[in-house]
Amino acid sequence: DIQMTQSPSSLSASVGDRVTITCRASQAISNYLTWYQQKPGKVPKVLIYAASTLQSGVPSRFSGSGSGTDFTLTISSLQPEDVATYYCQRYDSAPRTFGGGTKVEIK
Amino acid sequence: QVQLVQSGSELRKPGASVKVSCKASGYTFTNYAMNWVRQAPGQGLEWMGWIHTNTGNPAYAQGFTGRFVFSVDTSVSTAYLQISSLKSEDTAVYYCARVDWITGKDYWGQGTLVTVSS
Repeated sequence: DIQMTQSPSSLSASVGDRVTITCRASQAISNYLTWYQQKPGKVPKVLIYAASTLQSGVPSRFSGSGSGTDFTLTISSLQPEDVATYYCQRYDSAPRTFGGGTKVEIK
Repeated sequence: QVQLVQSGSELRKPGASVKVSCKASGYTFTNYAMNWVRQAPGQGLEWMGWIHTNTGNPAYAQGFTGRFVFSVDTSVSTAYLQISSLKSEDTAVYYCARVDWITGKDYWGQGTLVTVSS
């Protein structure tokens, strides 16, 4: 099965900082990648699908890029409400494996 | 509006079984597969598998075969997750989720906490 590896596992940044999270697939998955945000105590929600398409209603400070095996989620200017754990998930085929998650905190 | 409402928290002893329900409303139940996702305390998301609600055909991820069974009752638009021979490591929140990967629209149940403890 294809493995999804996220890095870093956690990060602490200041409000206004640019934050980058990476997700690497062990084999190419084209652009079949979704990014989720899970705030503490809440259910996950889709931020980005098809690697770079912003879900409706998601702030434009979030962006995604990549194709094949290497993907990036970027928060252009970190806000306090962005404190959450972020997960990538492949959906080229089953199993629809999640990455291990990246916990984002405010410094 | 689309809603997925799960059954309430469960406490079971090791070796027992549990059945979690996920009742869908606001859309045609058989038009979308239902995913099941596990989240152990303080841990990440694990995709357990899914069930095609129109056929009842399930598919399980590695690590979720044997003791885990997905089923549906289309007459009440409900998906079920049954776990048998429960172990302490099954303690987790279990989510059902409908995800349309083409449009990115996702709907999640509120989660069901299953606690396995003697």
